[in-house]
Amino acid sequence: DTAVSQTPKYLVTQMGNDKSIKCEQNLGHDTMYWYKQDSKKFLKIMFSYNNKELIINETVPNRFSPKSPDKAHLNLHINSLELGDSAVYFCASSPQVGGPYEQYFGPGTRLTVT
Amino acid sequence: GDSVTQMEGPVTLSEEAFLTINCTYTATGYPSLFWYVQYPGEGLQLLLKATKADDKGSNKGFEATYRKETTSFHLEKGSVQVSDSAVYFCALYAGGTSYGKLTFGQGTILTVHP
Repeated sequence: DTAVSQTPKYLVTQMGNDKSIKCEQNLGHDTMYWYKQDSKKFLKIMFSYNNKELIINETVPNRFSPKSPDKAHLNLHINSLELGDSAVYFCASSPQVGGPYEQYFGPGTRLTVT
Repeated sequence: GDSVTQMEGPVTLSEEAFLTINCTYTATGYPSLFWYVQYPGEGLQLLLKATKADDKGSNKGFEATYRKETTSFHLEKGSVQVSDSAVYFCALYAGGTSYGKLTFGQGTILTVHP
C-alpha cells in the first residue's frame, strides 16, 4: 500500500486554466504539507495543515488554495495558471506537528503550463 | 531567517569512491538536521537525522555528525554504489513555531559510474 499518494502524476495544461492536485495519506498522520520543487531541484514549503487546520501559509500567490476535507487528504487547487507555476509539487505528511518528525513524501505531480 | 547551504553539484564519482557532501546551516536556537534522498522519479525519503549537537545520524552506510561549532552536517559514505545515484538534500527543522516546517538546501545531484 502506498503511504502517500498523489494524483495526477503528470499534468499538462495551458495558461489561464484552473487545475487541482489531490493527495492522500494512509499513515494516520495528523499533519500534511505541500512543497514546490523548481527546475533546479530547489524545494520550498507552501502550506501545512494539522488536523484539517491551516498552520503554515508561506508567501504563495492567492491563486493557490489548499483544502483539507479530512486529516488524510490535502488537495491543492490552482487558479489562472501561469508559466511560472510549472514545477513538481510534492505532498508530505508527518505524525504530528511541532517536532523533528520524519516527513513522508508522495511521488510528486509534475505540472507543465504551456 | 533560517537557511541551509549545500555544496554545488553535480558530483560524479566512480563506484567504491569516498563521498562527502557539505552542508552548513544558519538558524537561531538549536535546530534538528536531516538528510533526505530523492531517487529518480520518486519523492524524497529520510536518509538520516540528528536532533542535537554531536549526534551522529547513520543509515545505509551514510553518516553525518551535527557540529554546532561549525554549523555543519556533512554527509559521508565510505564506498558509494551505482544505486546511490540520486539527489541529496540537507534540511533543518528550527523548532518553536516552525510547525514542522523543513528548510531545505538546494540539493546535490550525485552520479556514480560503474
